[in-house]
Amino acid sequence: AQKVTQAQTEISVVEKEDVTLDCVYETRDTTYYLFWYKQPPSGELVFLIRRNSFDEQNEISGRYSWNFQKSTSSFNFTITASQVVDSAVYFCALSEADNAGNMLTFGGGTRLMVKP
Amino acid sequence: DSGVTQTPKHLITATGQRVTLRCSPRSGDLSVYWYQQSLDQGLQFLIQYYNGEERAKGNILERFSAQQFPDLHSELNLSSLELGDSALYFCASTRTGERETQYFGPGTRLLVL
Repeated sequence: AQKVTQAQTEISVVEKEDVTLDCVYETRDTTYYLFWYKQPPSGELVFLIRRNSFDEQNEISGRYSWNFQKSTSSFNFTITASQVVDSAVYFCALSEADNAGNMLTFGGGTRLMVKP
Repeated sequence: DSGVTQTPKHLITATGQRVTLRCSPRSGDLSVYWYQQSLDQGLQFLIQYYNGEERAKGNILERFSAQQFPDLHSELNLSSLELGDSALYFCASTRTGERETQYFGPGTRLLVL
């Protein structure tokens, strides 16, 4: 069965600090997809990134970067020079290609608080 | 804005009642997913529909049911409501229902008193 663990339930940083959110996953499939979503205080779920299991290249998008390592089953998310607007709950999620559908299994989320 | 719409935004009701949550997928998307976000269970997949047919089922209670209509909008029906059903209910959609990124609606916040 698939599982996603976000061990950090809450992180507090001061603006401009770098912060890394950890995500560890478990799956028996060789083909799977990993996602990060952001949930700001307003409540909606905002898609940030998707990676497939065959693509281990790290990705950078502005202040955001993602480090995918199959050897450690991790898909970590780093925010560089954090800003107050980054305050949100961040979810890592996994989808197995062999699922009958396309269901997402979410981690418990990490609440990030960025203080001015 | 993801293009997925959900109504109502907020719903307050009493135990034992029945409510219907509505979701309209993004234009052209055939598949709709329902998720529940509660404090104790986190974000959990409930059910998926593709072009009117049930595709996958998760931890959905028997008191809950869903359907997808010919115009592709979906409704989630929650009956015999209990206090523990209070949660944020999300709908998401994708074009084909397989191996795609799910884009979420703004959610419906249900409070059962």
